[in-house]
Formats: sequence, structure tokens, C-alpha cells
Amino acid sequence: IAGITQAPTSQILAAGRRMTLRCTQDMRHNAMYWYRQDLGLGLRLIHYSNTAGTTGKGEVPDGYSVSRANTDDFPLTLASAVPSQTSVYFCASRGLAGGPGELFFGEGSRLTVL
Amino acid sequence: GQNIDQPTEMTATEGAIVQINCTYQTSGFNGLFWYQQHAGEAPTFLSYNVLDGLEEKGRFSSFLSRSKGYSYLLLKELQMKDSASYLCALMDSNYQLIWGAGTKLIIKP
Repeated sequence: IAGITQAPTSQILAAGRRMTLRCTQDMRHNAMYWYRQDLGLGLRLIHYSNTAGTTGKGEVPDGYSVSRANTDDFPLTLASAVPSQTSVYFCASRGLAGGPGELFFGEGSRLTVL
Repeated sequence: GQNIDQPTEMTATEGAIVQINCTYQTSGFNGLFWYQQHAGEAPTFLSYNVLDGLEEKGRFSSFLSRSKGYSYLLLKELQMKDSASYLCALMDSNYQLIWGAGTKLIIKP
């Protein structure tokens, strides 16, 4: 693993099903983020975690949950998927030491909810 | 509240220069980022400005005026591979990023 890895890269899901998007980073970054990206809109923050064991809500958290059991992993769960959750999901991370740092992004997970 | 505006789409010619503007309104400011995103790919970091002025990095430069709530990304000697979306992002007082919708740059031969 080099950098930040997301899985799956693409998924078609029936409405009402539960889905977990996985995210793993090997850079020992403190902070991790989940964004969704929809056409015509900027990246919107779903949930974030500034350090292992803590999480926070972003701009659009409803219908999503996260956990941060350790530094490396930050899964995003859709408990009961709805069509409006069709989107491209990006996981990102950055180190917090020494001030603002650049975000590193995973390759994205394209989710279609039917 | 916070708000970021950037043009939706711009077209430029290979070899030319293009300037992509970003204006913002915010109550707290910890810097402004520019990212590049090719279609179907993840965003990648281009630049970070926290003080007023111009930061040059090869063919790309980024400018910031905090008093005017204004930044621009300048791309010189345009190449076809520069066709991408360019995302402006503001870091707020909580060190969270607020993203613009992105500017799609189309390069023509």
C-alpha cells in the first residue's frame, strides 16, 4: 500500500441496502476525511476525524456514519442507501503537525444507488 | 457564512496563458489551496497561499489578496494535459476546507 487506498472503486447498490466504503492510509496522518462529489457542486464534507478515536460531522452527514478505531482506517457506512446518495466518494488524509498541510486523496469510489 | 466562487468553465489555447479566478467570503481564514482534478481521477495538490502575494511553481503560479478575498491560479505555456478541473478551497478557522465547485479548463490545439 502506498498512500491512501479506497475500496470498492465502483459499486451498484439497491436502495435500502447497507454499504461500507473502506479507506486505508499508510502515511500515519492524523486527520482523515470523507467527501462526496456531485456534478456542479464542490466537494462536500460528510464526516471527518482529527485523530484515532474521534470523529466529527461535516456539511452533509445525514445517512452516513464513520468510525476511527486506529490511525490507518476510516470506513464510511451507509446504513440504508437511498438514490440521493449516488455520488463519487473520496477519502482523504493529511498530517496536522506543523500547521495546515495538503490533503492526499484516494482514487474515489463511484456509488450508484438504484 | 462562507462562500467561494469560481467560473464554471474556461477555454484556452495550447501554448497560451490562462488565469482562473477565485473569490471568497469568510469569517476565519487559514489559507487557500488550489487542486487539479483530471476527469475520473482524484484531486491533486497544486498550491497553498496563506500570505498575500504570488507563489510560483514552474508553469503554475498562485496569487492571494486577503483584503480583497481573491485568489487566482495562473497557468503558463499551456499543454493539452492541463485540461482538467481546477478546484479552489478555503481553509476556515477550524482548519476545515470549504471547496468551490471547480473550473473546468478546456485546452484547444
